[in-house]
Amino acid sequence: GQNIDQPTEMTATEGAIVQINCTYQTSGFNGLFWYQQHAGEAPTFLSYNVLDGLEEKGRFSSFLSRSKGYSYLLLKELQMKDSASYLCAVVGNMLTFGGGTRLMVKP
Amino acid sequence: DGGITQSPKYLFRKEGQNVTLSCEQNLNHDAMYWYRQDPGQGLRLIYYSQIVNDFQKGDIAEGYSVSREKKESFPLTVTSAQKNPTAFYLCASSMNGGAFFGQGTRLTVV
Repeated sequence: GQNIDQPTEMTATEGAIVQINCTYQTSGFNGLFWYQQHAGEAPTFLSYNVLDGLEEKGRFSSFLSRSKGYSYLLLKELQMKDSASYLCAVVGNMLTFGGGTRLMVKP
Repeated sequence: DGGITQSPKYLFRKEGQNVTLSCEQNLNHDAMYWYRQDPGQGLRLIYYSQIVNDFQKGDIAEGYSVSREKKESFPLTVTSAQKNPTAFYLCASSMNGGAFFGQGTRLTVV
């Protein structure tokens, strides 16, 4: 079966660092994606991990451990505009999404 | 530009009517997907297709139909059997190394 878990909501303070976790159990594994989605808009691509380790892209980093079925998205120097939903998705035999994590950044 | 295009962006349907949402991609991706999203909720899979002329039901396929006659196109028909069709519909395509979304279609029943 396909199962992806991530927290439903998180709150953090502007300027801080936040880590959003994602655990998965899927049929096959060909990569893990993180997307950002603002209310009423389509998701936009943030990162892609296919090998274990950390991928850094500006203020955003994503980590993958395939043996543990675990990933996290790290957001540094949080800004108010980072308030959005963050979706974890795995490409196995098909593309499967977690339920999304709604991040609220407070001043 | 390579990408995935959904049309229209906004669509209004009268009760009892069928409507078709378009999704076209020129990324040469084999797999295509349709998701439904209700306000404040996550993505729910309606249908997916991993190859031309083949498609599979997702978690909420009732009241919807699809076709995949060409690799580039994966239209979704919302039929009159779908009792609560007002939602945001997202099409995606994927292949190893990439998964991308269209801009979405917001369907409203009037």
